[in-house]
Amino acid sequence: GENVEQHPSTLSVQEGDSAVIKCTYSDSASNYFPWYKQELGKRPQLIIDIRSNVGEKKDQRIAVTLNKTAKHFSLHITETQPEDSAVYFCAASSPRTYKYIFGTGTRLKVLA
Amino acid sequence: KAGVTQTPRYLIKTRGQQVTLSCSPISGHRSVSWYQQTPGQGLQFLFEYFSETQRNKGNFPGRFSGRQFSNSRSEMNVSTLELGDSALYLCASRSEGYEQYFGPGTRLTVT
Repeated sequence: GENVEQHPSTLSVQEGDSAVIKCTYSDSASNYFPWYKQELGKRPQLIIDIRSNVGEKKDQRIAVTLNKTAKHFSLHITETQPEDSAVYFCAASSPRTYKYIFGTGTRLKVLA
Repeated sequence: KAGVTQTPRYLIKTRGQQVTLSCSPISGHRSVSWYQQTPGQGLQFLFEYFSETQRNKGNFPGRFSGRQFSNSRSEMNVSTLELGDSALYLCASRSEGYEQYFGPGTRLTVT
């Protein structure tokens, strides 16, 4: 069935370093890949997304890359700051099923 | 525009009882999806409604049901509650596009 694998489950980086979170999806019909940030006790917030007709998208310190052939997509955060500490979820969505399949989340800790 | 709202925010129920959760989407959004979030299982898709029709359903037992009204507001019902149903229940809405926005969630505790 449809599945999204996300790695790593936890990630600690020093402030100012970069962080990379990787996801792999199984449904080849998936064409939309959002990333959500969830701070403790808060709702998931959409931070960036990418569609299958684009290989890379950037928004200030965050970027997402997509490799359709390998069914991989990644979140890159540069110049990390303590406020980047949160749980990050990737997801894949297919127009065939109308549902989002989420990864299991990555807890990012940015150490000051 | 106001964001997605959910009521109630917190709920404590006893095993065997039933519960109804409510979600009001962003104005103009016709799609509402429901998710169960637990520490061990992450975000699990329950179902999605669009214009009062269920378009898709996740792998949850029939005790979990939902509906959507003509104003796009949605409700989710869980009957015969079990301890394992304790979770944060999130709804999310989207318009014709792909971007999906979450509500604050309802924290359900079953004792």
